[in-house]
Amino acid sequence: SYELTQPPSVSVSPGQTARITCSGDALPKKYAYWYQQKSGQAPVLVIYEDSKRPSGIPERFSGSSSGTMATLTISGAQVEDEADYYCYSTDSSGNHSPVFGGGTKLTVL
Amino acid sequence: QVQLVQSGAEVKKPGSSVKVSCKASGGTFSSYAISWVRQAPGQGLEWMGRIIPILGIANYAQKFQGRVTITADKSTSTAYMELSSLRSEDTAVYYCARDSRDSYGLYYMDVWGKGTTVTVSS
Repeated sequence: SYELTQPPSVSVSPGQTARITCSGDALPKKYAYWYQQKSGQAPVLVIYEDSKRPSGIPERFSGSSSGTMATLTISGAQVEDEADYYCYSTDSSGNHSPVFGGGTKLTVL
Repeated sequence: QVQLVQSGAEVKKPGSSVKVSCKASGGTFSSYAISWVRQAPGQGLEWMGRIIPILGIANYAQKFQGRVTITADKSTSTAYMELSSLRSEDTAVYYCARDSRDSYGLYYMDVWGKGTTVTVSS
């Protein structure tokens, strides 16, 4: 089955740039999406279609995709950005089955 | 602004079934699909399936085929997810989410409910 691979954890100091990667064989042909999930809360969409930001999401959140890797970048990470981040995409089969990455715990301290 | 309101927490016995509801407000229910995603304690997100209410068509992740049924009632803008033959490993938070289409016509989840905790225990 198709997999999206993320690093288990990323750690930065406040004000630094955090980068979270997501690799998958189908990403050259499929969009990547990113969800933020704070402790005890539902996920929130922070990036869609590789690099678009929903209304209400701070400009410090950006996304990019090249080849088999998508990247979520948080420029000037804040303490309140500490959360789990999940990438999401679909496989390249005719079913376009949805898949989540395993998640990355971002620590900002 | 669409909101998804889910039913309350459930405690079930192994072997039984659970049915979770998700009521949409503030948007056009039939214009979107609804996905169900679950998250076991300390684990990641797992897509279970989705329904397109206007068509009444549902498709499911292979892992849950035969055990999950997703339905929708357009008259009340409510989607349902029923999981049968429950086992302890089904203990999780179950989320519904609105699916929008991207520019390729594929679905992604853009608005989420707050989740429903289902505990399976004897």
